[in-house]
Amino acid sequence: QSVLAQPPSVSAAPGQTVTISCSGKFSNIGTSFVSWYQHVPGAAPKLIIYENSKRPSGISDRFSGSTSGTSSTLVISGLQTGDEADYYCVAWDNSLIAVFGGGTKLTVL
Amino acid sequence: QVQLQESGPGLVKPSETLTLICSVSGDSIMGYYWSWIRQPAGKGLEWIGRIYVSGTTTYKPSLRSRVTMSEDTSKNQLSLSLTSMTAADTGVYYCAREPVQMWSFEYWGPGALITVSS
Repeated sequence: QSVLAQPPSVSAAPGQTVTISCSGKFSNIGTSFVSWYQHVPGAAPKLIIYENSKRPSGISDRFSGSTSGTSSTLVISGLQTGDEADYYCVAWDNSLIAVFGGGTKLTVL
Repeated sequence: QVQLQESGPGLVKPSETLTLICSVSGDSIMGYYWSWIRQPAGKGLEWIGRIYVSGTTTYKPSLRSRVTMSEDTSKNQLSLSLTSMTAADTGVYYCAREPVQMWSFEYWGPGALITVSS
């Protein structure tokens, strides 16, 4: 069982907006930055959000992140078929151990 | 362009020790954290630990007794050693770079598939 809780799957049609939640505790999300990763099976995971809401260079502004209290949220707007992937949230606990969410499989209908 | 490449044996026998290498090109390994992350077969991503070059290591508590991470600055490589391998350790192993104070993994290798089987 993962330290951070994510829904196993979400789905939406092209063009729509989807939200993926990531729930933790004060000792991890509540006291650290959250990052988000897109993982297409067979490829290397890709950083899409860091420090809760910042996008690395080259990441579309269709991806946005926010954190409040002990929960974080990834929003993907204007869904495209190429967005189909597994999405993971990561935070750090008080011992500087990285903790992952269980991953959310995004299906674009 | 920073590139990471994991390399390893592919197949490991139960109870044996896995040794993986992460070769880095395009930048020095000095002054960064380098994490090892795995995806057990059929499961999600799991952080194994990290090493700061040059300096400290931090390991996931449940794996701490079996893990050793090290660096070779002359070869610009990191290594992971995991002892007492079992079938539960089968999966894809990644190395990833984490800039200091960024608290995220900005570059990843393509991963190395490791199967534990006799």
